[in-house]
Amino acid sequence: QQQVKQSPQSLIVQKGGISIINCAYENTAFDYFPWYQQFPGKGPALLIAIRPDVSEKKEGRFTISFNKSAKQFSLHIMDSQPGDSATYFCAARSGGGSEKLVFGKGTKLTVNP
Amino acid sequence: DAGITQSPRHKVTETGTPVTLRCHQTENHRYMYWYRQDPGHGLRLIHYSYGVKDTDKGEVSDGYSVSRSKTEDFLLTLESATSSQTSVYFCAISAGLAGADSSSYEQYFGPGTRLTVT
Repeated sequence: QQQVKQSPQSLIVQKGGISIINCAYENTAFDYFPWYQQFPGKGPALLIAIRPDVSEKKEGRFTISFNKSAKQFSLHIMDSQPGDSATYFCAARSGGGSEKLVFGKGTKLTVNP
Repeated sequence: DAGITQSPRHKVTETGTPVTLRCHQTENHRYMYWYRQDPGHGLRLIHYSYGVKDTDKGEVSDGYSVSRSKTEDFLLTLESATSSQTSVYFCAISAGLAGADSSSYEQYFGPGTRLTVT
């Protein structure tokens, strides 16, 4: 049973454009929402994360927007670059002492030069 | 990069043979995880450990067993490999410090093991 739904599956953006990836969840016990970036042949790497008491977090060109009432969060990549071409995964952590993450199915981003 | 190594990095084995994958960490983190990654499924948790000799099942644990006899090592065993277990396997670690800030929740991934069962 997938608990985090991620869309789109794939995304093509022109260099300099904005990439937007969306995730939705049902479990209101989730208390931590990270995004991972994965290049081919590599393990996922933590990109940016947010807690539900914050509506937005920005690190460089990467921003997470969080809508608690809608149970949705999204990753925005500003001024997208070809080097951003990778697969992106959203995830969510259950509260109550659980250290497990549930992952979305991933979005393959291609940034054309 | 977090100090996580996985071995072997690539393995081809035949159906019905036992296979053990090793994850080794140098961060002294409490939590260790095994995931599999398959096209269209993202990352799915197989088993995880919250301390030496303390393990629990994830969402796709059937056909897999794990052991953790030392803080730094977490082994994943396929007792009798099947073609459906062909996948890329990732180990991850997290500090999981009670009462700490969000940084303790962060999971760091190893480089992966590509397993092919023929």
